[in-house]
Amino acid sequence: GAVVSQHPSWVICKSGTSVKIECRSLDFQATTMFWYRQFPKQSLMLMATSNEGSKATYEQGVEKDKFLINHASLTLSTLTVTSAHPEDSSFYICSASPGGAEAFFGQGTRLTVV
Amino acid sequence: KNEVEQSPQNLTAQEGEFITINCSYSVGISALHWLQQHPGGGIVSLFMLSSGKKKHGRLIATINIQEKHSSLHITASHPRDSAVYICAVLLNNDMRFGAGTRLTVKP
Repeated sequence: GAVVSQHPSWVICKSGTSVKIECRSLDFQATTMFWYRQFPKQSLMLMATSNEGSKATYEQGVEKDKFLINHASLTLSTLTVTSAHPEDSSFYICSASPGGAEAFFGQGTRLTVV
Repeated sequence: KNEVEQSPQNLTAQEGEFITINCSYSVGISALHWLQQHPGGGIVSLFMLSSGKKKHGRLIATINIQEKHSSLHITASHPRDSAVYICAVLLNNDMRFGAGTRLTVKP
């Protein structure tokens, strides 16, 4: 099946710094990429949807200036957590869709802000 | 009300038992996904369904579009099947998730 590579799988950063998470579709072109966040023992929550070459659409309550999403190519989307704080510590997951109903998930990134 | 309801929330089984996890949704969908999330957080896509039934190894997934219901079955369960299983529905490029079912299979 199609593969989505998310990197890094885990990261620890200091409060106030920025962290970039990459999501790559390895064997297909992803017209749409989704970014999710998961708090402990809770389900995945959609943060934003991005289409290649256009601005991401953010869900209500998600700060676009804090969670910068770039989808510059059909195989790569990045999520940058700017000026990270401990409350941003979470599990971040991307998924990529070549179109239609198909969606393939990255392995996730565990972010810890200290 | 959540658009995607899963049951049970938690499930403990003995090795070898047949397991069923259910997912009901309230909106018309393009497709339904079953995901497996391991204790470390990593997610594996198990199935994508838009109709009928799919089988992969010991896993079987079914969907009834008219009843807006899907089931995930695990035959001959094994401790390594212990994980959180998540149902997700895709509607107009918008994916919504169930709360997940935490499965523990004891040896």
